[in-house]
Amino acid sequence: GESVGLHLPTLSVQEGDNSIINCAYSNSASDYFIWYKQESGKGPQFIIDIRSNMDKRQGQRVTVLLNKTVKHLSLQIAATQPGDSAVYFCAEKRYVDNDMRFGAGTRLTVKP
Amino acid sequence: DTGVSQDPRHKITKRGQNVTFRCDPISEHNRLYWYRQTLGQGPEFLTYFQNEAQLEKSRLLSDRFSAERPKGSFSTLEIQRTEQGDSAMYLCASTFEWARTSTDTQYFGPGTRLTVL
Repeated sequence: GESVGLHLPTLSVQEGDNSIINCAYSNSASDYFIWYKQESGKGPQFIIDIRSNMDKRQGQRVTVLLNKTVKHLSLQIAATQPGDSAVYFCAEKRYVDNDMRFGAGTRLTVKP
Repeated sequence: DTGVSQDPRHKITKRGQNVTFRCDPISEHNRLYWYRQTLGQGPEFLTYFQNEAQLEKSRLLSDRFSAERPKGSFSTLEIQRTEQGDSAMYLCASTFEWARTSTDTQYFGPGTRLTVL
């Protein structure tokens, strides 16, 4: 069935290093993809999104890469900081649908 | 703080009781979504409103779940005859959809954590 999932449930990086969080999806009809960050006790916070007709988009310290050939999405965080420690979710949506489908999440831990 | 608020933040109830949660979206947002999130999982879509109209409710988990948005502003989610399996975080999100193909960024509230004993 259709699914959005992440390759690794946990990721630990050293402060100052770059982080890469991966996501695989199965629905080739997805129109856009979104990355959310969720800190403990809070709701998901939007980070960045990318439409399916793009392969890269950059924000402040974050870059999202989309490879539609292998149905793979990644979030790159530059110079990871302790405040980046959280669970990261990828989500996908189609314009014709009403819902947004989330993966299970990757917990990022930044070591000082 | 995204501007979306939810009340209460925590609710503990006994099995069989009814509970109601409230969501106040960002004021100019025309769409409001409800999600459920269980531990270690991503949010799971339940229902959504376009202004006061509930346009999708087939994903509500059972007929014990209902939602309203009577004036197109705040919304309530009610669970009747709660079961232990209803224990989860219930999240509300809002967005402004200006076109069918807009990437409607959803802003989430802090959630209501429900524990059913």
